[in-house]
Amino acid sequence: DIQMTQSPSSLSASVGDRVTITCRASQDITNYLAWYQQKPGKVPKLLIYAASTLQSGVPSRFSGSGSGTDFTLTISSLQPEDVATYYCQQYYSAPLTFGGGTKVEIK
Amino acid sequence: EVQLVESGGGLVQPGGSLRLSCAASGFIFSSYWMNWVRQAPGKGLEWVANIKQDGSEKYYVDSVKGRFTISRDNAKNSLYLQMNSLRAEDTAVYYCARAYYDSHGSHFDYWGQGTLVTVSS
Repeated sequence: DIQMTQSPSSLSASVGDRVTITCRASQDITNYLAWYQQKPGKVPKLLIYAASTLQSGVPSRFSGSGSGTDFTLTISSLQPEDVATYYCQQYYSAPLTFGGGTKVEIK
Repeated sequence: EVQLVESGGGLVQPGGSLRLSCAASGFIFSSYWMNWVRQAPGKGLEWVANIKQDGSEKYYVDSVKGRFTISRDNAKNSLYLQMNSLRAEDTAVYYCARAYYDSHGSHFDYWGQGTLVTVSS
């Protein structure tokens, strides 16, 4: 199974800050990576797929990069509505696996 | 508008069974791979199973193999998860999720609201 490791597990940043979340795969997954946002008490929402393709309707302050084993989700200017837990997911091979999540809070 | 509505969750004793359903609307259900994803209370996301458009291919996470069965009825636009021999560690919110790609390997572009399964005596 492919293990997905996210870091940090949590972070606190100020409104307007640039926030970066890292996801590392235990083996090469090319660009078969997605990012989700889950707000407290809500359903996960797709943000990015194919490592860097923004899902329709997602604000442009979100961006993704990386390939192979190392990936990054960046929020260019953190907003109060971005408070959530963010998950990466690989779909290179079954079983499909998620990272452990990164909880983002406002300082 | 794409809608996925799960039902069938509840409280069940260890060793018991439960059948979850997911009613789909707003898209051509028979054209998509479908998935079940779960989330234990306060924990992260775990993919459980998925099924091809015609039901001919099914994949499961190891922890549920032999206990859970995914199925679908395209005439009823419905996805199911039959869960047998339930364990405490199966306690979670179960989400129905649509696959974006025409493949067992895909991310999920639409999710239902989830149904809570609690396994406890």
